[in-house]
Amino acid sequence: QKEVEQDPGPLSVPEGAIVSLNCTYSNSAFQYFMWYRQYSRKGPELLMYTYSSGNKEDGRFTAQVDKSSKYISLFIRDSQPSDSATYLCAMSRSGGYQKVTFGTGTKLQVIP
Amino acid sequence: GAVVSQHPSWVICKSGTSVKIECRSLDFQATTMFWYRQFPKQSLMLMATSNEGSKATYEQGVEKDKFLINHASLTLSTLTVTSAHPEDSSFYICSARQLAGGPGYNEQFFGPGTRLTVL
Repeated sequence: QKEVEQDPGPLSVPEGAIVSLNCTYSNSAFQYFMWYRQYSRKGPELLMYTYSSGNKEDGRFTAQVDKSSKYISLFIRDSQPSDSATYLCAMSRSGGYQKVTFGTGTKLQVIP
Repeated sequence: GAVVSQHPSWVICKSGTSVKIECRSLDFQATTMFWYRQFPKQSLMLMATSNEGSKATYEQGVEKDKFLINHASLTLSTLTVTSAHPEDSSFYICSARQLAGGPGYNEQFFGPGTRLTVL
Protein backbone atom coordinates (compact mmCIF):
# COMPACT_ATOMS: atom_id res chain seq x y z
CA GLN A 1 0.00 0.00 0.00
CA LYS A 2 1.31 3.42 -0.94
CA GLU A 3 1.71 5.94 1.85
CA VAL A 4 -0.30 8.49 -0.12
CA GLU A 5 -3.09 7.61 -2.55
CA GLN A 6 -4.46 10.05 -5.09
CA ASP A 7 -6.82 9.45 -7.99
CA PRO A 8 -4.83 10.28 -11.14
CA GLY A 9 -7.91 11.38 -13.08
CA PRO A 10 -8.12 12.97 -15.55
CA LEU A 11 -10.89 15.16 -14.23
CA SER A 12 -12.76 17.38 -16.70
CA VAL A 13 -15.11 20.10 -15.50
CA PRO A 14 -16.82 23.07 -17.13
CA GLU A 15 -15.60 26.56 -16.36
CA GLY A 16 -17.14 27.91 -13.17
CA ALA A 17 -17.61 24.50 -11.55
CA ILE A 18 -16.47 23.62 -8.07
CA VAL A 19 -13.63 21.12 -8.17
CA SER A 20 -12.91 18.65 -5.39
CA LEU A 21 -9.53 16.91 -5.27
CA ASN A 22 -8.72 14.33 -2.63
CA CYS A 23 -5.97 12.23 -1.12
CA THR A 24 -5.85 9.53 1.49
CA TYR A 25 -2.82 8.51 3.47
CA SER A 26 -1.76 5.78 5.82
CA ASN A 27 0.98 7.32 7.97
CA SER A 28 -0.56 8.90 11.05
CA ALA A 29 2.71 10.73 11.75
CA PHE A 30 2.10 13.21 8.93
CA GLN A 31 1.50 16.69 10.33
CA TYR A 32 1.96 19.03 7.36
CA PHE A 33 -0.28 18.70 4.33
CA MET A 34 0.45 20.54 1.11
CA TRP A 35 -1.10 20.99 -2.31
CA TYR A 36 1.10 21.68 -5.30
CA ARG A 37 0.12 22.63 -8.84
CA GLN A 38 2.24 21.38 -11.72
CA TYR A 39 1.87 22.52 -15.30
CA SER A 40 3.06 20.24 -18.06
CA ARG A 41 6.85 19.91 -18.19
CA LYS A 42 7.29 22.31 -15.27
CA GLY A 43 8.24 21.92 -11.64
CA PRO A 44 5.52 21.94 -8.96
CA GLU A 45 4.56 25.16 -7.21
CA LEU A 46 3.12 25.30 -3.72
CA LEU A 47 -0.54 26.38 -3.56
CA MET A 48 -1.10 26.09 0.15
CA TYR A 49 -0.24 24.08 3.20
CA THR A 50 -2.11 23.13 6.36
CA TYR A 51 -0.77 22.07 9.70
CA SER A 52 -2.67 19.25 11.41
CA SER A 53 -6.47 19.10 11.02
CA GLY A 54 -8.73 21.88 9.90
CA ASN A 55 -9.54 24.14 6.99
CA LYS A 56 -7.55 26.84 5.26
CA GLU A 57 -8.82 29.21 2.62
CA ASP A 58 -6.90 31.26 0.10
CA GLY A 59 -8.96 33.02 -2.51
CA ARG A 60 -10.76 30.42 -4.61
CA PHE A 61 -8.87 27.56 -2.95
CA THR A 62 -9.82 25.77 0.25
CA ALA A 63 -7.80 22.97 1.81
CA GLN A 64 -9.30 20.59 4.33
CA VAL A 65 -7.56 18.02 6.51
CA ASP A 66 -9.33 15.29 8.47
CA LYS A 67 -6.62 13.45 10.37
CA SER A 68 -9.09 11.08 12.01
CA SER A 69 -10.00 9.77 8.56
CA LYS A 70 -6.55 10.32 7.05
CA TYR A 71 -8.18 12.27 4.26
CA ILE A 72 -7.33 15.63 2.74
CA SER A 73 -9.13 17.70 0.14
CA LEU A 74 -8.60 20.72 -2.05
CA PHE A 75 -11.61 22.63 -3.32
CA ILE A 76 -11.41 25.09 -6.19
CA ARG A 77 -14.35 27.46 -6.55
CA ASP A 78 -15.28 29.17 -9.81
CA SER A 79 -12.76 27.08 -11.72
CA GLN A 80 -11.00 28.73 -14.64
CA PRO A 81 -9.29 27.29 -17.73
CA SER A 82 -6.01 28.54 -16.25
CA ASP A 83 -6.53 26.10 -13.37
CA SER A 84 -5.97 23.24 -15.81
CA ALA A 85 -2.92 21.45 -14.44
CA THR A 86 -1.91 18.46 -12.37
CA TYR A 87 -2.51 18.86 -8.65
CA LEU A 88 -0.30 16.93 -6.26
CA CYS A 89 -0.96 16.44 -2.60
CA ALA A 90 2.07 16.12 -0.37
CA MET A 91 2.73 15.42 3.28
CA SER A 92 5.51 15.48 5.80
CA ARG A 93 6.01 14.64 9.44
CA SER A 94 7.38 18.04 10.26
CA GLY A 95 8.05 21.38 8.65
CA GLY A 96 11.80 21.17 8.94
CA TYR A 97 14.08 18.73 7.22
CA GLN A 98 11.62 15.87 7.08
CA LYS A 99 11.06 14.14 3.76
CA VAL A 100 7.99 15.16 1.79
CA THR A 101 5.89 12.35 0.33
CA PHE A 102 3.88 13.16 -2.79
CA GLY A 103 0.73 11.69 -4.26
CA THR A 104 0.68 10.73 -7.92
CA GLY A 105 -1.23 13.88 -8.88
CA THR A 106 -4.68 14.46 -10.36
CA LYS A 107 -4.83 15.94 -13.83
CA LEU A 108 -7.52 18.60 -14.03
CA GLN A 109 -8.95 20.11 -17.19
CA VAL A 110 -11.31 23.06 -16.99
CA ILE A 111 -13.24 23.42 -20.21
CA PRO A 112 -14.24 26.94 -21.31
CA GLY B 1 8.47 33.52 -4.32
CA ALA B 2 12.03 32.26 -4.49
CA VAL B 3 13.38 31.11 -7.83
CA VAL B 4 15.18 27.88 -8.57
CA SER B 5 16.65 27.25 -11.99
CA GLN B 6 17.82 24.05 -13.67
CA HIS B 7 20.11 23.54 -16.58
CA PRO B 8 19.75 22.04 -19.06
CA SER B 9 15.99 21.87 -19.45
CA TRP B 10 16.27 19.01 -21.92
CA VAL B 11 19.09 16.66 -22.80
CA ILE B 12 19.49 13.67 -25.09
CA CYS B 13 22.51 11.45 -24.69
CA LYS B 14 23.83 8.12 -25.85
CA SER B 15 23.79 5.08 -23.62
CA GLY B 16 26.93 4.84 -21.53
CA THR B 17 27.66 8.55 -21.35
CA SER B 18 27.39 10.77 -18.29
CA VAL B 19 25.09 13.74 -17.93
CA LYS B 20 25.35 16.60 -15.43
CA ILE B 21 22.32 18.60 -14.34
CA GLU B 22 22.68 21.86 -12.42
CA CYS B 23 20.26 23.27 -9.89
CA ARG B 24 20.64 26.85 -8.69
CA SER B 25 18.79 28.93 -6.13
CA LEU B 26 18.81 32.40 -7.67
CA ASP B 27 17.74 34.70 -4.87
CA PHE B 28 18.23 32.81 -1.64
CA GLN B 29 20.71 30.55 0.05
CA ALA B 30 19.62 26.94 0.02
CA THR B 31 20.86 25.03 3.01
CA THR B 32 19.17 21.91 1.68
CA MET B 33 18.51 20.74 -1.86
CA PHE B 34 16.50 17.75 -2.99
CA TRP B 35 16.60 15.72 -6.17
CA TYR B 36 13.47 14.00 -7.47
CA ARG B 37 12.68 11.79 -10.41
CA GLN B 38 9.27 11.74 -12.03
CA PHE B 39 8.13 9.12 -14.52
CA PRO B 40 5.06 9.78 -16.70
CA LYS B 41 1.82 9.66 -14.73
CA GLN B 42 3.73 8.91 -11.55
CA SER B 43 4.54 10.90 -8.48
CA LEU B 44 7.75 12.69 -7.66
CA MET B 45 10.11 10.18 -6.10
CA LEU B 46 12.77 11.59 -3.82
CA MET B 47 16.21 10.38 -4.86
CA ALA B 48 18.45 12.17 -2.41
CA THR B 49 18.78 15.04 0.00
CA SER B 50 21.89 17.15 0.10
CA ASN B 51 23.07 19.70 2.61
CA GLU B 52 25.71 22.21 1.65
CA GLY B 53 29.19 20.98 2.35
CA SER B 54 28.25 17.44 3.31
CA LYS B 55 27.56 14.16 1.56
CA ALA B 56 24.13 13.54 0.12
CA THR B 57 21.70 11.17 1.78
CA TYR B 58 20.24 8.77 -0.73
CA GLU B 59 16.83 7.13 -0.56
CA GLN B 60 16.60 3.37 -0.45
CA GLY B 61 17.08 1.83 -3.86
CA VAL B 62 18.92 4.81 -5.37
CA GLU B 63 22.47 3.96 -6.44
CA LYS B 64 24.77 6.63 -5.06
CA ASP B 65 27.59 5.65 -7.43
CA LYS B 66 25.31 6.10 -10.39
CA PHE B 67 23.65 9.34 -9.33
CA LEU B 68 26.43 11.58 -8.05
CA ILE B 69 25.29 14.64 -6.13
CA ASN B 70 27.46 17.59 -5.24
CA HIS B 71 26.24 20.52 -3.16
CA ALA B 72 29.36 22.63 -3.17
CA SER B 73 27.79 26.00 -2.39
CA LEU B 74 24.64 27.45 -0.88
CA THR B 75 23.28 28.21 -4.33
CA LEU B 76 24.36 25.27 -6.47
CA SER B 77 23.80 21.54 -6.48
CA THR B 78 24.61 19.18 -9.32
CA LEU B 79 23.33 15.72 -10.21
CA THR B 80 25.48 13.60 -12.49
CA VAL B 81 23.93 10.53 -14.03
CA THR B 82 26.90 8.29 -14.76
CA SER B 83 26.89 5.65 -17.50
CA ALA B 84 23.31 6.51 -18.38
CA HIS B 85 21.02 3.84 -19.80
CA PRO B 86 17.60 4.10 -21.45
CA GLU B 87 15.87 3.18 -18.18
CA ASP B 88 17.34 6.36 -16.66
CA SER B 89 15.24 8.44 -19.04
CA SER B 90 12.98 10.54 -16.87
CA PHE B 91 12.09 14.02 -15.68
CA TYR B 92 14.55 15.12 -12.99
CA ILE B 93 13.46 17.93 -10.69
CA CYS B 94 15.41 19.65 -7.97
CA SER B 95 14.08 21.70 -5.11
CA ALA B 96 15.72 23.96 -2.60
CA ARG B 97 14.80 24.86 0.92
CA GLN B 98 15.96 27.68 3.13
CA LEU B 99 15.53 26.77 6.74
CA ALA B 100 13.78 29.68 8.39
CA GLY B 101 13.92 30.18 12.12
CA GLY B 102 10.98 29.03 14.25
CA PRO B 103 8.14 26.60 13.62
CA GLY B 104 6.07 26.24 10.54
CA TYR B 105 6.44 24.69 7.15
CA ASN B 106 9.71 25.45 5.39
CA GLU B 107 8.69 25.57 1.78
CA GLN B 108 10.57 23.73 -0.92
CA PHE B 109 10.94 25.74 -4.10
CA PHE B 110 11.08 23.59 -7.20
CA GLY B 111 13.09 24.02 -10.33
CA PRO B 112 11.46 23.66 -13.77
CA GLY B 113 12.88 20.18 -14.28
CA THR B 114 15.24 18.52 -16.75
CA ARG B 115 13.98 15.97 -19.20
CA LEU B 116 16.62 13.32 -19.84
CA THR B 117 16.35 10.97 -22.79
CA VAL B 118 18.96 8.22 -23.11
CA LEU B 119 19.14 6.57 -26.50
